[in-house]
Amino acid sequence: ETGVTQTPRHLVMGMTNKKSLKCEQHLGHNAMYWYKQSAKKPLELMFVYSLEERVENNSVPSRFSPECPNSSHLFLHLHTLQPEDSALYLCASSQDIGSGLGYTFGSGTRLTVV
Amino acid sequence: QKEVEQDPGPLSVPEGAIVSLNCTYSNSAFQYFMWYRQYSRKGPELLMYTYSSGNKEDGRFTAQVDKSSKYISLFIRDSQPSDSATYLCAMSADRGSTLGRLYFGRGTQLTVWP
Repeated sequence: ETGVTQTPRHLVMGMTNKKSLKCEQHLGHNAMYWYKQSAKKPLELMFVYSLEERVENNSVPSRFSPECPNSSHLFLHLHTLQPEDSALYLCASSQDIGSGLGYTFGSGTRLTVV
Repeated sequence: QKEVEQDPGPLSVPEGAIVSLNCTYSNSAFQYFMWYRQYSRKGPELLMYTYSSGNKEDGRFTAQVDKSSKYISLFIRDSQPSDSATYLCAMSADRGSTLGRLYFGRGTQLTVWP
């Protein structure tokens, strides 16, 4: 692993389910991010946290709810998702939210909404 | 107009070929230019980065930035089957202007066959 661990690796959920994605980083970084990666589309930034405080919510629907209890852990709570939400969800961390260099990504959670 | 444009491919080349991957962008504020490599079922990993214009070489990889044309390239010499992956370009502006947000291309899928 790269220092950023995501669980689960795969998730299949129904549209009425509630589930959570977990991300953990062991790099001592202060910033953490959630990205969505869909086929044939650029990575979409969803949320940015700096020192456990959310600093950006990129117009993400409320059915996605992030939580950052400390600087090492990041969650993405999911409820009443739609099939078009099926994608690879990537967590990343960086030392700070400065120049954008030095992002470390996890391996992602492959989400399928049925 | 999208911030970053990248041809998704796929690109298929024989082993030993020179590969050229390219991105164009529209935002003249971008200063940091990166190439990420993403293997199947993995998260992106930083391959190379360049600040402002110029060339940077690392082994078989060369990154070029032409800010006047808003065009960046990644060249892979003597390509190997292990280079088969999706290559994503990414870029960001200076600290303080976009909170270090990375803007990604769609990624180019490369296959190097033996």
